[in-house]
Amino acid sequence: DIQMTQSPSSLSASVGDRVTITCRASQSISNYLNWYQQNPGKAPKLLIYAASSLQSGVPSRFSGSGSGTDFTLTISSLQPEDFATYYCQQSYSTPRTFGQGTKVEIK
Amino acid sequence: QVQLQESGPGLVKPSGTLSLTCAVSGGPISSSHWWSWVRQPPGKGLEWIGEIYHSGSTDYNPSLKSRVTMSVDKSNNQFSLRVTSVTAADTAVYYCARVSWVGDNLYYFDLWGRGTLVTVSS
Repeated sequence: DIQMTQSPSSLSASVGDRVTITCRASQSISNYLNWYQQNPGKAPKLLIYAASSLQSGVPSRFSGSGSGTDFTLTISSLQPEDFATYYCQQSYSTPRTFGQGTKVEIK
Repeated sequence: QVQLQESGPGLVKPSGTLSLTCAVSGGPISSSHWWSWVRQPPGKGLEWIGEIYHSGSTDYNPSLKSRVTMSVDKSNNQFSLRVTSVTAADTAVYYCARVSWVGDNLYYFDLWGRGTLVTVSS
């Protein structure tokens, strides 16, 4: 199985801050990497697919980059509704695997 | 627009069978999408259980493969999950999700149900 490791596991930030979350794969996965946002008690929501493609309806302050084993999710200016947990997920091979999550909290 | 809704018992006894259904509304299950199950133990991360196509083709997580069965009911536009021999470790919120597979390995979960909590306890 491909292991996905996110860092940090949690972070504290203020509204307006630029936030970067990292996801590392245990082997090269090309650009087959997706990002999801999950608010408490809610289902995950797709933000980014294929490492850098913004899902329809997702604000442009979200962006993704990376290829191979190292990927980043960036929120350019954190908004109140962005305080949530973020997960990366690889689609290079089965079983589909997720990172352990990064919780973004209010400072 | 397409919506997904999970249903099934919220409590299952140890060694019993967990059975859930995901109703698809607003669009046909016999589309070009695969349909998946993902679970999340309380306070933990996401685990992919497996997926099914309307033809009946399946792909399961090897860690659960011996206990998992998925099926499609095209007449009722729904798909189902069965997990046998459950233990407390199977306690989780179970989500159904639609898979968009747009070529090669460009694959993502683009639509999710709200999730349903299943507790394994006597």
